[in-house]
Parts: sequence; C-alpha cells; structure tokens
Amino acid sequence: QVQLVQSGGGLVEPGGSLRLSCATSGFDFSDHYMTWVRQAPGKGLEWLSYISSRGTTIYYAESVKGRFTTSRDNAKNSLFLQMNSLRVEDTAVYYCAKDGYGLSFDSWGQGTLVTVSS
Amino acid sequence: QSVLTQPPSASGTPGQRVTISCFGSSSNIGSNTVNWYQHLPGTAPKLLIYSDKQRPSGVPDRFSGSKSGTSASLAISGLQSEDEADYYCAAWDDSLIGYVFGTGTKVTVL
Repeated sequence: QVQLVQSGGGLVEPGGSLRLSCATSGFDFSDHYMTWVRQAPGKGLEWLSYISSRGTTIYYAESVKGRFTTSRDNAKNSLFLQMNSLRVEDTAVYYCAKDGYGLSFDSWGQGTLVTVSS
Repeated sequence: QSVLTQPPSASGTPGQRVTISCFGSSSNIGSNTVNWYQHLPGTAPKLLIYSDKQRPSGVPDRFSGSKSGTSASLAISGLQSEDEADYYCAAWDDSLIGYVFGTGTKVTVL
C-alpha cells in the first residue's frame, strides 16, 4: 500500500537550517507530483510547495519563497524540503503528500515537528 | 490570511446533517476544482472529497460535496461521533499560482 514516511524534524535556533525527508513506497513515485503542507500550533493547514513529477517545475507559497527549497530523488523515491533562514513562525508540524485526482492530495506522511526557538 | 473562508465551527447531534461552506473567488473556486480534507489532531489529514464532489474509495457516502460559482459546500449526513474533526476546503489559485486551504471548520458532535 502507499506509504510516506517522514524524517528530519527537530529543534533549531532562529536563522538555522533543517532538511526534511519523505521516503515513499507503494506507488510509482516518478509519476506523481508531490507537495509539502504545514500546520502551526493552533493554526490551520498551510500549503508550502508543489513539485512536478520530474522536479522541473516547483511552486512555493510566498511565506517560504527564497528560504525553502523542495527537491526530489526519483531513483530513491524520496522528497525533500530544505529549510534555511528559519524563523520562530516556521514552528509547525510539516507533512508531505502525494497528488491525487483533481489537484488533491490523497496520501499523507505522518508529519514531523519542527520547532524554531532559541 | 487564507483566501478561502469557512465558518470557524459547526455542530450537530448524532444523526443530524451538518453543512460547511467555503467561500472563494474567481481565481480559485471559480476556475478550479475544490477538495475537502478531514483533520484530526495528531494525525495526518485525510482526503474526503476531490474534484468538487467525488469521494475517494473508502470514504462513506455520508460525506458529499457541491460547488456553485465561487463557493463550495461539504455536507455530512447522519453525523457520527467519529466525525468530530477539523475540515478544510482547498483549491488551486490561478492568481497566487499556488494551492490554498480554507480557514478550517471545527465540527463538534453534541
């Protein structure tokens, strides 16, 4: 079955960097767009980025543009989120997700907590 | 600040029907399909409705979606205790060139 297993969260100081990973299985990873979504404490879901199946097209939310970089390794069925210049307001649970029909996200990772604090 | 607006809360007793609205604009709901997600705290979001009104396999037919113009709705009929969760509408926005989630609606089963 489809599985998305996330890793790489943790505590980081403001201005620091962190890299999240999303290892996938159970579907043809190279055929699917992938996305990152987060939820800050007490807030709603926020879309962050969307990467095409070959990684040639990437869209970012304004809130992370220029600081976060999404990439993928189709040979390893993995998705990545490189987060630089982290801010306190980036504290959130981060999710990776696989695209489905109608620009939906039909399978999600378990989420990983990123805490930005001094 | 989300461009898709939902009521912050909705409630009903077991067996009742609850409807959640989602108001957008011509650049998102008006020109792209709407999806709905259910999110329980501490778990991954779950896709409930895609392409305005389609249910993924395994989603009970108690959940239904509709869209008209720049607004969409999610209806939950035969409300059950396990439906207590946060619900989000979402759509691609052509102006923002990005995906947007609604503000979220917390459903409480009384």
